Amino acid sequence: AQTVTQSQPEMSVQEAETVTLSCTYDTSESNYYLFWYKQPPSRQMILVIRQEAYKQQNATENRFSVNFQKAAKSFSLKISDSQLGDTAMYFCAFMKRGNQFYFGTGTSLTVIP
Amino acid sequence: GAGVSQSPSNKVTEKGKDVELRCDPISGHTALYWYRQRLGQGLEFLIYFQGNSAPDKSGLPSDRFSAERTGESVSTLTIQRTQQEDSAVYLCASSFSLHQETQYFGPGTRLLVL
Repeated sequence: AQTVTQSQPEMSVQEAETVTLSCTYDTSESNYYLFWYKQPPSRQMILVIRQEAYKQQNATENRFSVNFQKAAKSFSLKISDSQLGDTAMYFCAFMKRGNQFYFGTGTSLTVIP
Repeated sequence: GAGVSQSPSNKVTEKGKDVELRCDPISGHTALYWYRQRLGQGLEFLIYFQGNSAPDKSGLPSDRFSAERTGESVSTLTIQRTQQEDSAVYLCASSFSLHQETQYFGPGTRLLVL
């Protein structure tokens, strides 16, 4: 079975600062995909960033980057220069190729002006 | 093009009634997924469709839940004899194919069973 754990139910960060959200997962698969999704109050799930397990290089999307540690099964999200619009629930997700997603329970991030 | 759309956006029903939730995937997306999200929790996989293949129903919580999809277009999730524990947001997502890993989500339907 695949499980995804987000150990930080709530976090806050000052505007323009950097924050890191943690995620660990458990799998026996060697080829898989990891995602961070953002869910603002509007409820719309928005893809933030994705990482293929076979790639050693950490994915980066503008202010968002990940620290992917395959051996440790860790996939943290770093948000730099936090903005008020970053306030949302953030979900870490795991997907085996050709199968459904497994989501963590989420981290509620509040950016403080 | 347009994203994934879902209707209704909100639904209030009485315990014991049947409800139908609709999902319109992104045009050209052959894979379609349904998830349930209870208040304050993560997403719970329900079912997915890939083209004309038999759907994977392994996540459906009971036989009161069923889903259909017409070809590679609209899908409906039906909950029969609703119970209060069915109250949740039901999210639909689509992807270009089962092997295109990025899923694009709709805004969800918030179901409240009184």
